[in-house]
Amino acid sequence: GAGVSQSPRYKVAKRGQDVALRCDPISGHVSLFWYQQALGQGPEFLTYFQNEAQLDKSGLPSDRFFAERPEGSVSTLKIQRTQQEDSAVYLCASSKHQGPTYEQYFGPGTRLTVT
Amino acid sequence: AQKVTQAQTEISVVEKEDVTLDCVYETRDTTYYLFWYKQPPSGELVFLIRRNSFDEQNEISGRYSWNFQKSTSSFNFTITASQVVDSAVYFCALRMDSSYKLIFGSGTRLLVRP
Repeated sequence: GAGVSQSPRYKVAKRGQDVALRCDPISGHVSLFWYQQALGQGPEFLTYFQNEAQLDKSGLPSDRFFAERPEGSVSTLKIQRTQQEDSAVYLCASSKHQGPTYEQYFGPGTRLTVT
Repeated sequence: AQKVTQAQTEISVVEKEDVTLDCVYETRDTTYYLFWYKQPPSGELVFLIRRNSFDEQNEISGRYSWNFQKSTSSFNFTITASQVVDSAVYFCALRMDSSYKLIFGSGTRLLVRP
């Protein structure tokens, strides 16, 4: 079956622009996660949704970052007034259920470059 | 605090050599889960294994094996008879039973030369 898909795969933004990154999770997966991966580093947690409810947004770096999942399926991560330090790969993952025994399936990521 | 350390930044081996990737974790929780993921150049993280804190039995899957030792807080990954297709970045990750987020190490880049 289809895995997690993300679009666009690559995004170049000028400093100060707003961007929107899309994640299509595996159909029927309840949990959805966003991670940020800086160059040469491991992914770092940004936010978590259970269905349409955003249960944890503690990893969002600033109030310029906003995520939503209005119908409990597709999710969008929005970054306002992008800064150079926002350059990273943004990974989306989904999981069938909430519990830790359910593995997280990752998408290919969106590589954001802020110039 | 929870933390995962992968001290080996990069490892280079010749095809058919065995290689071990180290992972050391820190947590005060008694129930937790450990993972290994592979990230090939395409960028997608591929799940390899999950281990819970109550199961210290080592596991073998084909050329892959994992050694979990709670006494040293380590969860090492060995590839036997490495192949060029094993070249990737490998991440170790930790998840507490009380949480849902994965805490990743900084990764080990493995290069297998023909």
